[in-house]
Amino acid sequence: DSGVTQTPKHLITATGQRVTLRCSPRSGDLSVYWYQQSLDQGLQFLIQYYNGEERAKGNILERFSAQQFPDLHSELNLSSLELGDSALYFCASSGSGGVYEQYFGPGTRLTVT
Amino acid sequence: KNQVEQSPQSLIILEGKNCTLQCNYTVSPFSNLRWYKQDTGRGPVSLTIMTFSENTKSNGRYTATLDADTKQSSLHITASQLSDSASYICAFYGGATNKLIFGTGTLLAVQP
Repeated sequence: DSGVTQTPKHLITATGQRVTLRCSPRSGDLSVYWYQQSLDQGLQFLIQYYNGEERAKGNILERFSAQQFPDLHSELNLSSLELGDSALYFCASSGSGGVYEQYFGPGTRLTVT
Repeated sequence: KNQVEQSPQSLIILEGKNCTLQCNYTVSPFSNLRWYKQDTGRGPVSLTIMTFSENTKSNGRYTATLDADTKQSSLHITASQLSDSASYICAFYGGATNKLIFGTGTLLAVQP
């Protein structure tokens, strides 16, 4: 158990809908990262937050957004969902910057029908 | 373009045997290289983390090596166990935007 929690575990929704994925980092970790893993693309970095502020951006679509709250939990919002958004979404946390060890949560499996 | 390619895509070995997984990269510069183990449907778990200046790093039956001249890393697993069946992913922290860049993984199946 990495200490990172993600909810929900599974999510099934229809195209065009909006969903919110939630992540709670390990106790004391200030950085939260979001990753997308699809069968054909592998793991792709989406976005990083550090202590409530956006720190780095990766291949995140404009339809996707994230935020980190004062209690350090983070939410990833996916809107206008398309079939191609079906994937596993992982959250990871680390104590400081991304150069340090990142601990991954169990993931949320999103299926868009 | 920063790329990470892993080989083989999949591998089947018998329990107790050794194996070596390869990772070729063009990521430059990078701060560190990581090898992860990912069980199906679960989050990646770190096996080793090496800085760009290290050549080898061990964690129990797992040994990672890095050759900066050939831009290759390998993960050697000794005395494989059934529980080693998983996907193994190499990743580099660095590049122009300081993020983790992942390979597509090697799917290892250990059979009795």
